[in-house]
Amino acid sequence: QVQLVQSGAEVKKPGASVKVSCKASGYTFTSYGISWVRQAPGQGLEWMGWINPYNGNTDYVQNLQGRVTMTADTFSSTAYMELGSLTSDDTAVYYCARTISTILGGWFDSWGQGTLVTVSS
Amino acid sequence: SYVLTQPPSVSVAPGQTARITCGGDTIGRETVHWYQQRPGQAPVLVVYDDGDRPSGIPERFSGSSSGNTATLTISRVEAGDEADYYCQVWDSSSDHPGVFGTGTKVTVL
Repeated sequence: QVQLVQSGAEVKKPGASVKVSCKASGYTFTSYGISWVRQAPGQGLEWMGWINPYNGNTDYVQNLQGRVTMTADTFSSTAYMELGSLTSDDTAVYYCARTISTILGGWFDSWGQGTLVTVSS
Repeated sequence: SYVLTQPPSVSVAPGQTARITCGGDTIGRETVHWYQQRPGQAPVLVVYDDGDRPSGIPERFSGSSSGNTATLTISRVEAGDEADYYCQVWDSSSDHPGVFGTGTKVTVL
């Protein structure tokens, strides 16, 4: 069955960077996109961007441009999300999600368990 | 950017029907997908492409879309349906296509 397993919780100081991993199994890694979605405490879901592991193409939300980098290692079927210049506003649970993209639209059919990133001095 | 508006909360008695709406200017041109998120857990896809269900999702969950509003309907509500629900569209014309609704907390009385 499809599984996405994420790395463990992180505590970072303001200004630092964090890199979260997402290891996929149970399907052909290069056949589906991987999106990253975050959820601040008590808040809703925010789509951050996605990567196509087949060709490495990425698409990021405008307000994270320049701070976020998404990569994929096809040999280990692992996706990564790195976020830099952290502030307290980046404290959130970060999810990876398998992304199905069709001519009619796209959705997220499997999710990782989430990684809590806490930014605190 | 695209804005999807949901009611903050919906309350329903066990065995009754809950309806959660999702409004957006061009929602009639996009397919809508729905997620259930129980407290402390990752979201789970419950409806995709307006009204299809992934395997393992009960038939009690159904979706529809008309005009500028999409609706998730939960029939014969159970205590285990208490959760947050989010709609989502993929706006291919946007520079950031993934868009979530504001979320609705469903409380089972």
